[in-house]
Amino acid sequence: EDKVVQSPLSLVVHEGDTVTLNCSYEVTNFRSLLWYKQEKKAPTFLFMLTSSGIEKKSGRLSSILDKKELFSILNITATQTGDSAVYLCAVAPDYGQNFVFGPGTRLSVLP
Amino acid sequence: EAQVTQNPRYLITVTGKKLTVTCSQNMNHEYMSWYRQDPGLGLRQIYYSMNVEVTDKGDVPEGYKVSRKEKRNFPLILESPSPNQTSLYFCASRFFGQTDSNQPQHFGDGTRLSIL
Repeated sequence: EDKVVQSPLSLVVHEGDTVTLNCSYEVTNFRSLLWYKQEKKAPTFLFMLTSSGIEKKSGRLSSILDKKELFSILNITATQTGDSAVYLCAVAPDYGQNFVFGPGTRLSVLP
Repeated sequence: EAQVTQNPRYLITVTGKKLTVTCSQNMNHEYMSWYRQDPGLGLRQIYYSMNVEVTDKGDVPEGYKVSRKEKRNFPLILESPSPNQTSLYFCASRFFGQTDSNQPQHFGDGTRLSIL
């Protein structure tokens, strides 16, 4: 059975801290791994990773994929209260298959 | 503006009363899907569609129906809703084809259903 596991499930930090969120997966077919940020409404797209070892960056956020060890990390440096959200990891399958999402990591950044 | 639109945003209804949640996208995406989100379980796919008249079951299809008669619309139908279908539902879409299959999904704002 395909599955995506995220850890931790919940995390509370203070502004300025750096956090690392983890995502591991076991899927039959793998095409790419995606990270989403979900605040009060729809998940919004952050990164798509398809190749091992190539870091994607966007401001204070960065992510990298290890296809050999089947995991990815999402780093957030100098966290701000606006980073408080649920971060979702999903694996996009090969042609014709459905996406598999992890349970999410709830990040709370305190002022 | 490119968007995925779901209606209604909130609905409270009773067991057994048929309901439909509409989903429409204006990005000419081939792939559309429905998810439900429950605490501790994350997003679970209900049904998806790779193009008009092509639909397939996701992980939790029981109690749901879908149709894809037009490219832009993908309604979710609950013929006889039950309390265990109380959840937050998301519709999503993306490009899909042999060259576009590696594209992120765009999500609607969600529909919160309460079945009493």
